[in-house]
Amino acid sequence: GDSVTQMEGPVTLSEEAFLTINCTYTATGYPSLFWYVQYPGEGLQLLLKATKADDKGSNKGFEATYRKETTSFHLEKGSVQVSDSAVYFCALSDGNNDMRFGAGTRLTVKP
Amino acid sequence: DGGITQSPKYLFRKEGQNVTLSCEQNLNHDAMYWYRQDPGQGLRLIYYSQIVNDFQKGDIAEGYSVSREKKESFPLTVTSAQKNPTAFYLCASSEWRASTDTQYFGPGTRLTVL
Repeated sequence: GDSVTQMEGPVTLSEEAFLTINCTYTATGYPSLFWYVQYPGEGLQLLLKATKADDKGSNKGFEATYRKETTSFHLEKGSVQVSDSAVYFCALSDGNNDMRFGAGTRLTVKP
Repeated sequence: DGGITQSPKYLFRKEGQNVTLSCEQNLNHDAMYWYRQDPGQGLRLIYYSQIVNDFQKGDIAEGYSVSREKKESFPLTVTSAQKNPTAFYLCASSEWRASTDTQYFGPGTRLTVL
């Protein structure tokens, strides 16, 4: 079935460093792709999404491009802040419209 | 403010007891979902509902039950048949159940079995 594989964590960066969290997917159709963020003890919040190939989702300085040729949706940010410390989940909506989540990547940003 | 509320935030249960987790949304969304989150893992779908009085099993429905009597409410019961219920439970909703729809999540309920 459809699935998502994302970069294992944890990831630790210094403030203002460049962030990449890799996400690749397996899907039989044309899924929509999502990045969600989870702060400690909270639910998930949508960070960005892309619904078709070559779309770029962006929000709060984060970006990800839907690459059909490499089946990827990597999350990037040019300069991370301490407040970006959280767990990031890559997800896709499969052919049955079920959301499939990656295992999550924990990011810690140190001042 | 529109959103999803879950209660309680923390719940403790003795083995052999059923417990019910509350989920309410005022977003006027048709679809609602329950997920289970275990440490270091992604979310797994327990049940979903696309419309009032209808719901479908997800990947890990065994030991759980739900109801959808009102559009805004989707309570989850964790029964004594669930062998390992200690987890973080998340409720979500979406406008419809389409592949492009964003799911909006509540703050979660952490269930611990004593």
